[in-house]
Amino acid sequence: RKEVEQDPGPFNVPEGATVAFNCTYSNSASQSFFWYRQDCRKEPKLLMSVYSSGNEDGRFTAQLNRASQYISLLIRDSKLSDSATYLCVVALSSNTGKLIFGQGTTLQVKP
Amino acid sequence: GAVVSQHPSRVICKSGTSVKIECRSLDFQATTMFWYRQFPKQSLMLMATSNEGSKATYEQGVEKDKFLINHASLTLSTLTVTSAHPEDSSFYICSATRDPNSPLHFGNGTRLTVT
Repeated sequence: RKEVEQDPGPFNVPEGATVAFNCTYSNSASQSFFWYRQDCRKEPKLLMSVYSSGNEDGRFTAQLNRASQYISLLIRDSKLSDSATYLCVVALSSNTGKLIFGQGTTLQVKP
Repeated sequence: GAVVSQHPSRVICKSGTSVKIECRSLDFQATTMFWYRQFPKQSLMLMATSNEGSKATYEQGVEKDKFLINHASLTLSTLTVTSAHPEDSSFYICSATRDPNSPLHFGNGTRLTVT
């Protein structure tokens, strides 16, 4: 079983749609959680951290369910520029450098 | 602007040669840097943790004699792929952070192609 699992997609949605990505992690001792965005052939960039209480940043909302070992990312009012691969990332300790990456979910927003 | 610089961004080499990739933190000191590898359509995989002034810590399955890591200063870590083979062709990315509680910054990555 992979340590961090994501549906690779692709998710093809029209502009303005709401889309949700899910991710599960296997290690219950995981401490920190993140969503990264990776554009084709580029380095990943931090989109947002995920907190136990859930958090929102503009059109993006992240949720964490520790009991189910489940993380989600909701994107509202999708833009063409949101097209990318979204990586679910878990850290086993407070040392945020040692990260476990999911395979990523590809999103294509169509006009 | 970029806070972690990685060089070169792209390299093509012949099988059997060695390739050195540099990772620099531009405006902060990084006692720890990390090296990842990403094959097409796969997730980033941590290869090793580079510790300034000491030996790198390698993840299981990563050959330390194949992937030499040197972290000689607080702003520079190098990864040398020794005797590269076509199966080493991949996207190599470094990352660094000021401290464990600060965001992680990634380099722009190095796309290695071994012919």
